[in-house]
Amino acid sequence: KQEVTQIPAALSVPEGENLVLNCSFTDSAIYNLQWFRQDPGKGLTSLLLIQSSQREQTSGRLNASLDKSSGRSTLYIAASQPGDSATYLCAVDSYGQNFVFGPGTRLSVLP
Amino acid sequence: EAQVTQNPRYLITVTGKKLTVTCSQNMNHEYMSWYRQDPGLGLRQIYYSMNVEVTDKGDVPEGYKVSRKEKRNFPLILESPSPNQTSLYFCASSLGAISNQPQHFGDGTRLSIL
Repeated sequence: KQEVTQIPAALSVPEGENLVLNCSFTDSAIYNLQWFRQDPGKGLTSLLLIQSSQREQTSGRLNASLDKSSGRSTLYIAASQPGDSATYLCAVDSYGQNFVFGPGTRLSVLP
Repeated sequence: EAQVTQNPRYLITVTGKKLTVTCSQNMNHEYMSWYRQDPGLGLRQIYYSMNVEVTDKGDVPEGYKVSRKEKRNFPLILESPSPNQTSLYFCASSLGAISNQPQHFGDGTRLSIL
């Protein structure tokens, strides 16, 4: 059964720092991996989707990488801003049907 | 505006009283899914639907029912709610399960079962 973990569980950084969030999964037979952002009391917003054949995706200050063989993905946030404060979740799409989410990393960017 | 709409947003009810949470999307998406989010357990998939009249169980389907009679709607039914179903529920949709397109989420429904 697919299991997804995220490290760290929480992170607090000063504004302007570059940071890395980690996601690990146990079964490498995935269709894609997605990173989401969740603000308090809100739904999830998709940030990046990496297909299983891809190594990375970039959107603005965000860069996500995927190493399927080792079961790892990282989300890199450059020049962090207070508006980046949120919970970040990764999710793997196993066999195109069943999505398994990690527990999330709660990020606080201090002004 | 492309969106997934859930109703109600908040509901407090009592054990055993049947309830339905509606979910509607306006993007002509084939794939729809229900999740529950609990502290310490994260998001877990309840049911999903690949298309009209096609539904399947996720990781935690016990105590829930779904139907997909129309492409845009995917209601979640709790026939006899119990306190352990108190949770934050999310509906999501995407173009298709193997489309490599991102999921779009509703704003959530907070259910409290007393």
